[in-house]
Amino acid sequence: DTGVSQDPRHKITKRGQNVTFRCDPISEHNRLYWYRQTLGQGPEFLTYFQNEAQLEKSRLLSDRFSAERPKGSFSTLEIQRTEQGDSAMYLCASSFYRHSSGNTIYFGEGSWLTVV
Amino acid sequence: SQQGEEDPQALSIQEGENATMNCSYKTSINNLQWYRQNSGRGLVHLILIRSNEREKHSGRLRVTLDTSKKSSSLLITASRAADTASYFCATAPTSGTYKYIFGTGTRLKVLA
Repeated sequence: DTGVSQDPRHKITKRGQNVTFRCDPISEHNRLYWYRQTLGQGPEFLTYFQNEAQLEKSRLLSDRFSAERPKGSFSTLEIQRTEQGDSAMYLCASSFYRHSSGNTIYFGEGSWLTVV
Repeated sequence: SQQGEEDPQALSIQEGENATMNCSYKTSINNLQWYRQNSGRGLVHLILIRSNEREKHSGRLRVTLDTSKKSSSLLITASRAADTASYFCATAPTSGTYKYIFGTGTRLKVLA
């Protein structure tokens, strides 16, 4: 299965440490999204890439958060100086837009972050 | 902010019954997608319905879209215990944004 792959699946870190998550989208998907989800809530949009260009960022993405997608393939999401409020599941998704069929977005299994 | 609101927030039914959940949204959309999420897992895509479509089927799933009321419904027929999950709708606004906005979800429990 060559779905969206995320790594690591679980991360426990101490407050103040930096963490980085990696996302490998479905091959040839040109659109890539990062979302954050806390317990009992729906996913919240963080940022969007079209190829290597970061075209949209949420206000939720404070200056401690940075995302990259070098060469338009995999993406990384880094959180600097983590805070307990950053504890959540970080979801990556990808899609390939087709005018005829819309823009189906496929999600990975998510990366759980616990900040202690 | 969440654009979509799913209703009900929680639903408990017996195996074999039908389950209907609704999604309302606020702005004009290009399309709407429904997802399933098992506890602690990622989201699984179920159906995409475009703004010019009114109804779509996929197996035991039926989705309707009423753009005049800004609402959609997901019907699962002949439910199974394995359908127990949270269900989310996600909308793509037409207003020059790329993001999909998710609702708060309906937690479905199917009792065997």
